[in-house]
Amino acid sequence: QKEVEQNSGPLSVPEGAIASLNCTYSDRGSQSFFWYRQYSGKSPELIMFIYSNGDKEDGRFTAQLNKASQYVSLLIRDSQPSDSATYLCAVMTGGGNKLTFGTGTQLKVEL
Amino acid sequence: KAGVTQTPRYLIKTRGQQVTLSCSPISGHRSVSWYQQTPGQGLQFLFEYFSETQRNKGNFPGRFSGRQFSNSRSEMNVSTLELGDSALYLCASSLNLGETQYFGPGTRLLVL
Repeated sequence: QKEVEQNSGPLSVPEGAIASLNCTYSDRGSQSFFWYRQYSGKSPELIMFIYSNGDKEDGRFTAQLNKASQYVSLLIRDSQPSDSATYLCAVMTGGGNKLTFGTGTQLKVEL
Repeated sequence: KAGVTQTPRYLIKTRGQQVTLSCSPISGHRSVSWYQQTPGQGLQFLFEYFSETQRNKGNFPGRFSGRQFSNSRSEMNVSTLELGDSALYLCASSLNLGETQYFGPGTRLLVL
């Protein structure tokens, strides 16, 4: 079982729709959870982080965390073509900096 | 505030050579981590530095090494390059250990 799992996609949504990206993790000791966006040929860019169970909203983005189910999700409201990218889920366990990444979900927002 | 910078941005080397990559963290950030990204393996943790000390290391051979200087700048070195070392090498900085990491643009290494 992979430590962090994501559906590789592609996930296609029409412009203006809600995109839902999901991630599961195996280590129950995981403490911090991050979503990064990566455009082709570029480096990962931080979208959101979440530490506590529940929802966290930032503009069009909402991160959801359920530690009991070991599940993290990212919702993108009013999806735009510029949101088309690969979304990486990353999990931090322990007191250090090590991030364990999923393989990423490719999102395509279609006109 | 300037972001994380990495030099060089692109490198071409041949098998058996060695390479040194450099990373300057965001001003005030004291922790630097390095990651390797390949199409086959995805993003994998190499090592992390804080206060000039390596705090954690990923599952990579000893050919991969690094260091951090007193100004928090970091370098990583790969010796005896192999074809499989071709990858995007990413540096990320954070204020302290265990905090949010911000990535630099990466160094794309091609080993021929």
